[in-house]
Amino acid sequence: AQKVTQAQTEISVVEKEDVTLDCVYETRDTTYYLFWYKQPPSGELVFLIRRNSFDEQNEISGRYSWNFQKSTSSFNFTITASQVVDSAVYFCALSESSGGGADGLTFGKGTHLIIQP
Amino acid sequence: ETGVTQTPRHLVMGMTNKKSLKCEQHLGHNAMYWYKQSAKKPLELMFVYSLEERVENNSVPSRFSPECPNSSHLFLHLHTLQPEDSALYLCASSQQGARTDTQYFGPGTRLTVL
Repeated sequence: AQKVTQAQTEISVVEKEDVTLDCVYETRDTTYYLFWYKQPPSGELVFLIRRNSFDEQNEISGRYSWNFQKSTSSFNFTITASQVVDSAVYFCALSESSGGGADGLTFGKGTHLIIQP
Repeated sequence: ETGVTQTPRHLVMGMTNKKSLKCEQHLGHNAMYWYKQSAKKPLELMFVYSLEERVENNSVPSRFSPECPNSSHLFLHLHTLQPEDSALYLCASSQQGARTDTQYFGPGTRLTVL
């Protein structure tokens, strides 16, 4: 079963519009972390945010904001007043605390965001 | 300036070739990772090293062989690859290798197997 679902494969908006990228996750752990990464055409995954499961406060960083709702297992990402430089693939990822040792992240399939000038 | 570098950025190889991918992190981290990113598939974790010891190997074919000589360097040795191995290979590092650490990624190596 897919643990991180990004149902929007591709979104295209005109510059200055607001856009929300959806992320729904699945876990049995009570302690877990959620992440968002941005992947521009250059390929590097750029870390945007990390949120633990006990902190449901929404976060705002400039034009970026995140809405974490445990009741719906969602961690959505909103870009306000989008710009062409925001065009990229955005990944939501989950890390669960159960088990021992190091582990990688479980990623969603990503949402390709296109901002048109 | 990125804290994780990868070389080469692009690689084309035949199925009988042997090549290696290199990753170096300048963040003072203790854990390093290899991921594979294929078209239209989620990123897949391949290998994890924590303090230079392999912690996880997610059933990756033996034609991929990792090496971690120290906490700053990670290699992926490739031999007798298949065309379906063509992908973007991403390296990452994290502070301790704990499941909840933030991972920082390099720019990737775009591999094409002919």
